[in-house]
Amino acid sequence: AQTVTQSQPEMSVQEAETVTLSCTYDTSESDYYLFWYKQPPSRQMILVIRQEAYKQQNATENRFSVNFQKAAKSFSLKISDSQLGDAAMYFCAYRSVINAGGTSYGKLTFGQGTILTVHP
Amino acid sequence: DGGITQSPKYLFRKEGQNVTLSCEQNLNHDAMYWYRQDPGQGLRLIYYSQIVNDFQKGDIAEGYSVSREKKESFPLTVTSAQKNPTAFYLCASSLYGDSGANVLTFGAGSRLTVL
Repeated sequence: AQTVTQSQPEMSVQEAETVTLSCTYDTSESDYYLFWYKQPPSRQMILVIRQEAYKQQNATENRFSVNFQKAAKSFSLKISDSQLGDAAMYFCAYRSVINAGGTSYGKLTFGQGTILTVHP
Repeated sequence: DGGITQSPKYLFRKEGQNVTLSCEQNLNHDAMYWYRQDPGQGLRLIYYSQIVNDFQKGDIAEGYSVSREKKESFPLTVTSAQKNPTAFYLCASSLYGDSGANVLTFGAGSRLTVL
């Protein structure tokens, strides 16, 4: 079974600065998807960014980018020019590509989460 | 607007009672999921369903039951057999298939407290 580990329970950053959230995972699969989800105080889970393991290029979405190190099984999230609205719990998640029983499903395995505080 | 509606937002239950959490989606998604969130443990999968009238157990299905009679609806019943039901419950859905666009869309969650 796959596991996802976020070793930083809490992180903080000054507004306009850059912060990196860490995520490592364990898998024997060669192809898979990785995600970062954001959960603000409203508790609504919001997709931040996703990465397909077979793609060498790191994904980028505006101020959010990832550093995907497949051999090291590491998937960190970098937030540039941090804003007050970035304050949230961030979850790293893993999804297999392998089908189960001939069908596909989107089951995600989540890390424990990192609480990000942004200071004005 | 398309989305997932979970109700109730807050629910209180006495020990020994069954409660049902509602999840409705109008995204025309095939697959639906229930996750449980506890502090410090991230999200854990309870049940998932890929098509109507079919569902599979997730990692922590004991004490829970589900049904999928309609594509749009995936209610979760927390039974009296669930030993520690106080938690935040999230429903999600996704398109059938394994394309890169097959990401999960989440509802706003339901907070269950056992008194």
